[in-house]
Amino acid sequence: NAGVTQTPKFRILKIGQSMTLQCTQDMNHNYMYWYRQDPGMGLKLIYYSVGAGITDKGEVPNGYNVSRSTTEDFPLRLELAAPSQTSVYFCASSTPGAQSNSPLHFGNGTRLTVT
Amino acid sequence: GDSVTQMEGPVTLSEEAFLTINCTYTATGYPSLFWYVQYPGEGLQLLLKATKADDKGSNKGFEATYRKETTSFHLEKGSVQVSDSAVYFCALRAGANSKLTFGKGITLSVRP
Repeated sequence: NAGVTQTPKFRILKIGQSMTLQCTQDMNHNYMYWYRQDPGMGLKLIYYSVGAGITDKGEVPNGYNVSRSTTEDFPLRLELAAPSQTSVYFCASSTPGAQSNSPLHFGNGTRLTVT
Repeated sequence: GDSVTQMEGPVTLSEEAFLTINCTYTATGYPSLFWYVQYPGEGLQLLLKATKADDKGSNKGFEATYRKETTSFHLEKGSVQVSDSAVYFCALRAGANSKLTFGKGITLSVRP
């Protein structure tokens, strides 16, 4: 049971380069999320998706793009990497549920450094 | 808007000590409340949850009670172990289709 799988685990980018962080889940969850985690700041929501073909901005979307062509995959794209995007990125998924108590399932994260 | 406030860290305890990690929240309506734990090098995983006032969530010896009157969801454990060393996040979700709002997290280190 793989759950939420993120690749790569680590990456170093030069300023201005682009890359895609991959995320896939095998639990048939409708909802998927991208968070970034910075020291002492908790987790900030970048983008989320409530189903294939539907995406929406979170708290900190600038500098990122997402797509959701399938239920399983939710890649995060950085077009012009900046040092401020140095962070640990987490993908998560959940079922919508009839109530608000559906937990999120997280991947193990991608540690990105932009120099 | 919704927010979660956790006590400042880090926290260092000796094995078998009693643990309390404070969490208070601000939200409209009746949110569900969660504690997530992040072990070194891993993603977050759900530790426990509570969905209505006076509910008590529990797991792995940890407990937290949903207190609506004080808007709190403090995490407690009677006797911590070295293996409990991790980062702990309090979070809320204020509606069926709303997002999860996290606190800043607190690092717990337990000494043998």
